[in-house]
Amino acid sequence: GQQVMQIPQYQHVQEGEDFTTYCNSSTTLSNIQWYKQRPGGHPVFLIQLVKSGEVKKQKRLTFQFGEAKKNSSLHITATQTTDVGTYFCAGRNQAGTALIFGKGTTLSVSS
Amino acid sequence: DAGITQSPRHKVTETGTPVTLRCHQTENHRYMYWYRQDPGHGLRLIHYSYGVKDTDKGEVSDGYSVSRSKTEDFLLTLESATSSQTSVYFCAIGSGADTQYFGPGTRLTVL
Repeated sequence: GQQVMQIPQYQHVQEGEDFTTYCNSSTTLSNIQWYKQRPGGHPVFLIQLVKSGEVKKQKRLTFQFGEAKKNSSLHITATQTTDVGTYFCAGRNQAGTALIFGKGTTLSVSS
Repeated sequence: DAGITQSPRHKVTETGTPVTLRCHQTENHRYMYWYRQDPGHGLRLIHYSYGVKDTDKGEVSDGYSVSRSKTEDFLLTLESATSSQTSVYFCAIGSGADTQYFGPGTRLTVL
């Protein structure tokens, strides 16, 4: 079945270092979404990418959608302790009725 | 945050007892979703609804049933709870496979 895979599962960085998480789909995606979940909280929508090769920025966060629309990445520049949490990517299922989530990358940051 | 609430927020129950979790929205979204979240598994879709009385199974639907008699309410029932159903349950609302807004979650422990 359709799968969305994320790596790494965990990442620990020192504050100020950069961080990247990668998302790969077994099928071509019509779009990809990214969510962030703070410890003890619920997932919160960050962004949606739709176009092949699309790049979007939100302050220190850079999101990319691959040319083949099967992979995506989230890059955080100069991490801060407020970036701590789990980042999920999600793609539409083939019926277009639901999202398939990756297992997430949990980021921890030490100051 | 979107107008979405879940009740109860925490529940401890015993194996074999029925349990019903409630999701309530004030946003009039057509689609509602139930996920479970477990360490190492990310967010897994249990059931979803695309309208009143219209529901479909997700990835991990065994042992769960749902009902939606009103647009604003989506109920998840564990007919006979088992320890493997100990988890955090999230409800989400959205418009098809576009942006989803998550509720605060219900932490369920089955002893």
